[in-house]
Amino acid sequence: AQSVTQPDIHITVSEGASLELRCNYSYGATPYLFWYVQSPGQGLQLLLKYFSGDTLVQGIKGFEAEFKRSQSSFNLRKPSVHWSDAAEYFCAVGPFGNEKLTFGTGTRLTIIP
Amino acid sequence: DTAVSQTPKYLVTQMGNDKSIKCEQNLGHDTMYWYKQDSKKFLKIMFSYNNKELIINETVPNRFSPKSPDKAHLNLHINSLELGDSAVYFCASSLESDGVSGYTFGSGTRLTVV
Repeated sequence: AQSVTQPDIHITVSEGASLELRCNYSYGATPYLFWYVQSPGQGLQLLLKYFSGDTLVQGIKGFEAEFKRSQSSFNLRKPSVHWSDAAEYFCAVGPFGNEKLTFGTGTRLTIIP
Repeated sequence: DTAVSQTPKYLVTQMGNDKSIKCEQNLGHDTMYWYKQDSKKFLKIMFSYNNKELIINETVPNRFSPKSPDKAHLNLHINSLELGDSAVYFCASSLESDGVSGYTFGSGTRLTVV
């Protein structure tokens, strides 16, 4: 069965600093990987996705993520965070066929001035 | 606006009541989903419908019954509400039945059972 682990429950970063959120997955084949962001009181918005090809994918809001098969990872990065990036970030794997999209437990990002 | 819209946004009700949450998408997507997000922000799929047919039915109490009158609507009816049903319920849709392009989520319905 597919699964996703986000090891960091909460990360605090200074505004303007770089950011990396970790995601590790378990999947029997080549995964489809996603990052979603959830702002307070809002639904989930798709930041980026990886299916195949270039392992470095660009997303919205200046985010990027790198797929590393050898490490079963799909970490999210941003070179310089803004206060508006404060939110909950979810990594997800799948779906394929009748499998569903499986989410990690999320990482809450706090931005300090 | 093209979107997934859920109503109501907030729902406060007493134990034992029956309530419904409605979801509509105008994206032309084939597949719709219900997810439950608990107090720890964990997201768990409940149901998935493709063109009005149930394709995923995770282990949820049979007090929860989805209904899809057409492929643009997926409603969630909950009977005999319990305290543990308090959560945020998200509706989502995807273009394909396997959702490979990603899901579009509604803004959620916060259900509080008192």
